[in-house]
Amino acid sequence: AQTVTQSQPEMSVQEAETVTLSCTYDTSESDYYLFWYKQPPSRQMILVIRQEAYKQQNATENRFSVNFQKAAKSFSLKISDSQLGDAAMYFCAYRGTSGSRLTFGEGTQLTVNP
Amino acid sequence: GAVVSQHPSRVICKSGTSVKIECRSLDFQATTMFWYRQFPKQSLMLMATSNEGSKATYEQGVEKDKFLINHASLTLSTLTVTSAHPEDSSFYICSARVLDRGTPEAFFGQGTRLTVV
Repeated sequence: AQTVTQSQPEMSVQEAETVTLSCTYDTSESDYYLFWYKQPPSRQMILVIRQEAYKQQNATENRFSVNFQKAAKSFSLKISDSQLGDAAMYFCAYRGTSGSRLTFGEGTQLTVNP
Repeated sequence: GAVVSQHPSRVICKSGTSVKIECRSLDFQATTMFWYRQFPKQSLMLMATSNEGSKATYEQGVEKDKFLINHASLTLSTLTVTSAHPEDSSFYICSARVLDRGTPEAFFGQGTRLTVV
């Protein structure tokens, strides 16, 4: 069974600074998808970024980028130029290519200090 | 992106009554929807997979008779919490994938905060 681990229950960053959230996973599949979702206080789940395992290039979405290390089964999220609106719970998630269900990590609560 | 609408956003019910939560895909058809439960400051726990036109698949430990799932159309899945008790109070979220657009991610409803008094 696949597992996703986020070892940082809480993180904080100063506004305009950079922060990296960690995520590791375990799988026996060779092809899969990885995601970072954001859950602000409204509790609406919002997709931040996704990575296809077959792609070697790290995904980037504006201020958000990932460091995908397939051999190490690591998938960290870097947030640059942090903004107050980035404060939220961040979940790392895994999905295999053959199924639709997501496996979530425990989440990292990010605080952005002004 | 695709839109998943969940209703109601908040509901308070008395112990022993039933409450229904609806999850609709507004601009796509969803043959499969997922229902999650989330406790404060915790991750999403998958309760069941809802399949259009067939029985839902429940995760281990989830009571099928308490959490009734119906997926009668390609755009609507419902979760009914039967004979609700205070311990059923939680945040419930549905999600769905858009299978015909080549996007691998899931889209989520706004969630429903259930309080049983």
